[in-house]
Amino acid sequence: KAGVTQTPRYLIKTRGQQVTLSCSPISGHRSVSWYQQTPGQGLQFLFEYFSETQRNKGNFPGRFSGRQFSNSRSEMNVSTLELGDSALYLCASSSSVAGALYNEQFFGPGTRLTVL
Amino acid sequence: AQKITQTQPGMFVQEKEAVTLDCTYDTSDQSYGLFWYKQPSSGEMIFLIYQGSYDEQNATEGRYSLNFQKARKSANLVISASQLGDSAMYFCAMRERDSNYQLIWGAGTKLIIKP
Repeated sequence: KAGVTQTPRYLIKTRGQQVTLSCSPISGHRSVSWYQQTPGQGLQFLFEYFSETQRNKGNFPGRFSGRQFSNSRSEMNVSTLELGDSALYLCASSSSVAGALYNEQFFGPGTRLTVL
Repeated sequence: AQKITQTQPGMFVQEKEAVTLDCTYDTSDQSYGLFWYKQPSSGEMIFLIYQGSYDEQNATEGRYSLNFQKARKSANLVISASQLGDSAMYFCAMRERDSNYQLIWGAGTKLIIKP
């Protein structure tokens, strides 16, 4: 079974631009979550999608958005990039339903975004 | 207040020794879940072990065990017989109803195994 894939793996953008990151979950998984990892803030939850619906959202500005397609693939978009958006963006997929405490998430390798 | 606290930013351990990575948590929920993940330099998060708040026994997965002390709100990860491949960042995380079941992460501990 193929794991979670994320594209691209590396990305360099300049301030003010926008970026779209893609995540393909493990086959059969309907839940996709996104996380931002920075040296200063650590790991922070961005949002979670389940069956094309945003089920949960972290504390990020509206510049960060996402969506999920009918095949469970997900994209996240960051508009008007700022230097502080430089981070590793991790995607995780799960087969569990909402509200489950034991919700084993399988992570992709991440997309490393650098904003210049 | 920090929900998950990992007090050891970095640790050096001799190969084959056991190592304990500390994690304390803060929640008022009675029902919650605790996780440990490993992140090698490649960046991918690898799930190691899970402990539910109602689990009476400490969780174990191969060389990994979780020392769960509910009254002290601690969930330390124990790695027995450490190997060079254990060198990585280790993160403790929690899921609780109060946080809408989001995974809340600690700052991590960088573990380096010395040959």
